[in-house]
Amino acid sequence: ILNVEQSPQSLHVQEGDSTNFTCSFPSSNFYALHWYRWETAKSPEALFVMTLNGDEKKKGRISATLNTKEGYSYLYIKGSQPEDSATYLCASSGGSYIPTFGRGTSLIVHP
Amino acid sequence: GAVVSQHPSWVICKSGTSVKIECRSLDFQATTMFWYRQFPKQSLMLMATSNEGSKATYEQGVEKDKFLINHASLTLSTLTVTSAHPEDSSFYICSAGTGTTPTEAFFGQGTRLTVV
Repeated sequence: ILNVEQSPQSLHVQEGDSTNFTCSFPSSNFYALHWYRWETAKSPEALFVMTLNGDEKKKGRISATLNTKEGYSYLYIKGSQPEDSATYLCASSGGSYIPTFGRGTSLIVHP
Repeated sequence: GAVVSQHPSWVICKSGTSVKIECRSLDFQATTMFWYRQFPKQSLMLMATSNEGSKATYEQGVEKDKFLINHASLTLSTLTVTSAHPEDSSFYICSAGTGTTPTEAFFGQGTRLTVV
């Protein structure tokens, strides 16, 4: 994989549903994997930075896992709320430390 | 967290004119500023990295004479799109950091540029 791929591109869920998205990235020359939450008209907000294979991070109802050997990360949201509606970006940085971003997953949580 | 303010949030300009976008770190000193561009339905692409007091480093394919970056102080960096053309219409966003890598940088709100 040469680019960072995110799936799905968009997701609609009902309030209370749990959901997850995938970020795939080049597994060679890996340095760090970042997840951001980006609400419309606001600045992208950093959620997690993960560097080690097997890392798991949690922030409230949001958690993320990292598999550097196979080049993927999952972001989970438990009990989605309307305020979770946003675009979730992931970015992978390699030896140059320059992050390569995915196109994002747009999440809409319906009340 | 740290606050980065970017202005304007949107701008419309005529073809051939120049547009300046400002990125300010409000509560910390940003030794490094990063400028990104995002075309519709595409990912954020790093355009250039600037360190305070030195010339910016541009990514491959980014014209340094067209996208002038100034980082004269630890709290302010500017991106000037010179002689703008409609194909320069895009979303531009900065991030500011205290380290040399983008990993711990904080984003501004972005600027939507439309060239008519």
